[in-house]
Amino acid sequence: SAVISQKPSRDICQRGTSLTIQCQVDSQVTMMFWYRQQPGQSLTLIATANQGSEATYESGFVIDKFPISRPNLTFSTLTVSNMSPEDSSIYLCSVEVLANYGYTFGSGTRLTVV
Amino acid sequence: QKEVEQDPGPLSVPEGAIVSLNCTYSNSAFQYFMWYRQYSRKGPELLMYTYSSGNKEDGRFTAQVDKSSKYISLFIRDSQPSDSATYLCAMISRSFGSARQLTFGSGTQLTVLP
Repeated sequence: SAVISQKPSRDICQRGTSLTIQCQVDSQVTMMFWYRQQPGQSLTLIATANQGSEATYESGFVIDKFPISRPNLTFSTLTVSNMSPEDSSIYLCSVEVLANYGYTFGSGTRLTVV
Repeated sequence: QKEVEQDPGPLSVPEGAIVSLNCTYSNSAFQYFMWYRQYSRKGPELLMYTYSSGNKEDGRFTAQVDKSSKYISLFIRDSQPSDSATYLCAMISRSFGSARQLTFGSGTQLTVLP
C-alpha cells in the first residue's frame, strides 16, 4: 500500500500566521484528500485535491482559509491561513489505495495555535 | 441526525475479552464499510474492509455488516493491550475511482487492561 510522509508532525503557531503542511506519497495517486480531526472528534473532510485542477472544498471550508496545491501526482500541500486558536487540530492527508480497497492516511500534523 | 453514529465509549476491558464495536448508519447508498484503528498521535490505519452483508474474518478481527438493519460491527477476540486505540468506522457510497470521501463515525476509544 502507499506510504505517506507528512510534514511537519507538529507545530505551535501564533494567531494570525499561516502554516503549510506537506504530504508526499511514494506512488502516483489521482486523488489526495485533506482531513481535519479536532480534539476528541472524528475526521472531517476539508477538500479533495486532484492534480491539474482546483481543489474541491467541502461545506464550511473555503479556499482563502485552506489553500491547497497539487503540483504533481505524488505531492500536495495544505495551508492553514490567518490562524486562530479554533484551528488547533490534527490535519491529515489521505490517498485512495485501490488494491486495498481503502484509504491510507499520513500520520498527521498536530497544530496548536496560541 | 448524523449519517453515521458510533457507540462513543470509552470502553475498558480486561485482556482476553471479546470486544464489540458498533456503528449504525442512515444513508442506504453506503456500499463499502471500513474499520480504522488510530493509535494516539498517529493517523488512522485500515483494519478491515467489507462490501456485502455478512461476516469477514481476519485473524482476531471479525467485521460484520447488516445492510437491512444499517448496522455494522467489529469484533475483537482475545483482546490484547496492544489493541488499545481509537476505532473508527467509515463508509463510502460510491465505488472507488469515481471519487468521494469517507464518512466517519465519531470513534470509540478502547483500552485493554493487562
